Amino acid sequence: GQQLNQSPQSMFIQEGEDVSMNCTSSSIFNTWLWYKQDPGEGPVLLIALYKAGELTSNGRLTAQFGTTRKDSFLNISASIPSDVGIYFCAGQLLIQGAQKLVFGQGTRLTINP
Amino acid sequence: GAGVSQSPSNKVTEKGKDVELRCDPISGHTALYWYRQSLGQGLEFLIYFQGNSAPDKSGLPSDRFSAERTGGSVSTLTIQRTQQEDSAVYLCASSLVSGRAGDTQYFGPGTRLTVL
Repeated sequence: GQQLNQSPQSMFIQEGEDVSMNCTSSSIFNTWLWYKQDPGEGPVLLIALYKAGELTSNGRLTAQFGTTRKDSFLNISASIPSDVGIYFCAGQLLIQGAQKLVFGQGTRLTINP
Repeated sequence: GAGVSQSPSNKVTEKGKDVELRCDPISGHTALYWYRQSLGQGLEFLIYFQGNSAPDKSGLPSDRFSAERTGGSVSTLTIQRTQQEDSAVYLCASSLVSGRAGDTQYFGPGTRLTVL
């Protein structure tokens, strides 16, 4: 089945630093998504990417859909305490009429004040 | 209503018991998804509904797992004869439609299931 490899698994940074994480896959996806999950909550969509090569920003977040459609990265600039959480990439593909999401293992971000 | 809601938020049960987990999707959303998240892991797709029908049941781990949706709204995930390896957070998501790129899935807060 499809698998996503997300790295790094965890990051410990100082407030104000930039953050970068990425996902790779052996499969092609038609959409890449980045979610953030806070403790006790479900994932919340941060950025959606629909076209190969697309670069999209949402405030301090920037994400790109790789040209091969098999990878994506997420950058967070000037990190702040509320950025703490687990970030998941997800590839979306159409299977039997459903937009099925395949998730990476997550990147846990910890910020030292 | 606001977002996707799930109940109960926490469930502790004994091995061998049956459990039912409930999901209330966002009003008007026709597609509903169930995922399982084990500790420290990403989300694993279980099953999806388009309306009341479930075209894709391929993600259900075993025949102890079943799900239904009635009235195109509320869905129930049932786990029979629970095992310790069923312990996880079960997440529900809904989207406006399915089968169309760009339909965002909105997640509920999940039900944390602990099987003793």
